[in-house]
Amino acid sequence: SQQGEEDPQALSIQEGENATMNCSYKTSINNLQWYRQNSGRGLVHLILIRSNEREKHSGRLRVTLDTSKKSSSLLITASRAADTASYFCATDAAAGGTSYGKLTFGQGTILTVHP
Amino acid sequence: GAGVSQSPSNKVTEKGKDVELRCDPISGHTALYWYRQSLGQGLEFLIYFQGNSAPDKSGLPSDRFSAERTGGSVSTLTIQRTQQEDSAVYLCASSLWQGSAQPQHFGDGTRLSIL
Repeated sequence: SQQGEEDPQALSIQEGENATMNCSYKTSINNLQWYRQNSGRGLVHLILIRSNEREKHSGRLRVTLDTSKKSSSLLITASRAADTASYFCATDAAAGGTSYGKLTFGQGTILTVHP
Repeated sequence: GAGVSQSPSNKVTEKGKDVELRCDPISGHTALYWYRQSLGQGLEFLIYFQGNSAPDKSGLPSDRFSAERTGGSVSTLTIQRTQQEDSAVYLCASSLWQGSAQPQHFGDGTRLSIL
């Protein structure tokens, strides 16, 4: 089963609007990461939030993490057409031993930003 | 500097043939990961390397799948006696070292189609 479940599956907005994507997961984690994937390309790391952090910012990105609810959200402010891509959350499970970065990905949110 | 390079970018082969996929990680990155991305299953972890050793092969779907890494650099993923369900995009990622909180850098993948 997927560790990360994301919603919405697809999001369509106009340039300048904000986009919010949500991710839920099932097990305890060391950290949660967000990646972007443009069509036909590999994944690009956006931001990482550790399990002891609640909020993190990077440019137009804001990520929140609620470990009590096992959920995270990614907010992209003032969206641009170039933000059109699929967005994935990925968790690094806290297995009790040494973590080596094995990531479990959600199904992703397809974001379309219309000019 | 150069990113993660994967070859071939596309591979079409007949069912039953063997295929070899190559990944050239970022220079100096000691950790290397293989993932598979398909419509039905999303992104799945296959195998992880630290240096030349593979401590975790748990994601390999069957004994038809194998991978090796030589010289702590290039890795090859081999699929023997390919089946149609092996059709997917195979993604390779590398990170500076193993462990949590390391962003992974992805190649653009090999799109494998089994006829």
